[in-house]
Amino acid sequence: QVQLQESGPGLVKPSETLSLTCTVSGYSISSGYYWGWVRQPPGKGLEWIGSIYHTGSTYYNPSLKSRVTISVDTSKNQFSLKLSSVTAADTAVFYCARVRTGVGDYWGQGTLVTVSS
Amino acid sequence: QSALTQPASVSGSPGQSITISCTGTSSDVGGYNYVSWYQQHPGKAPKLMIYDVSNRPSGVSNRFSGSKSGNTASLTISGLQAEDEADYYCSSYTSSSLWVFGGGTKLTVL
Repeated sequence: QVQLQESGPGLVKPSETLSLTCTVSGYSISSGYYWGWVRQPPGKGLEWIGSIYHTGSTYYNPSLKSRVTISVDTSKNQFSLKLSSVTAADTAVFYCARVRTGVGDYWGQGTLVTVSS
Repeated sequence: QSALTQPASVSGSPGQSITISCTGTSSDVGGYNYVSWYQQHPGKAPKLMIYDVSNRPSGVSNRFSGSKSGNTASLTISGLQAEDEADYYCSSYTSSSLWVFGGGTKLTVL
């Protein structure tokens, strides 16, 4: 069974960089699929942030592209998200997911990241 | 990249059928058969209910079905049950190899 688990700080200060890691079990990232990040501000809808292939190819949401970096560590079966220059508007639950052609079939449980001083 | 358009809310009584629409453009919904639907209960992660317009993952009830016509996709839930009350999101692959979601629809079972 494929399982994903997000980890990282739950509180980030404004203007700093948000960093999260997704650990995958039950499936090797190197075997295929894209691996993506999706966020959901409190009380609002889902927003795709970006996705990465095991080779390192990335696709980012144009609205966030200037602030986002997604990387993959196949040796640890993990992929990571960095979002720079955060503001309160970036407060959200962040989900990682296994993705292919716009379908997220396995999702992590999500982790709340609050941006506040 | 604009979000797909969904109604904010729909409702139905137990046993009835409801349909949720998801409108995009020829660059996303209309251009590819890669529309998917997710169910999200409060405090929970999204759950894939329909993929590639009309396919159900293993374990998803056959009361859930999907279709598409032009730039609009639809999710139909038949035989509504109390447990179906949740938020539903559509999503689509896009021409720029991106992924876009709808704004979400709150389903209330009366």
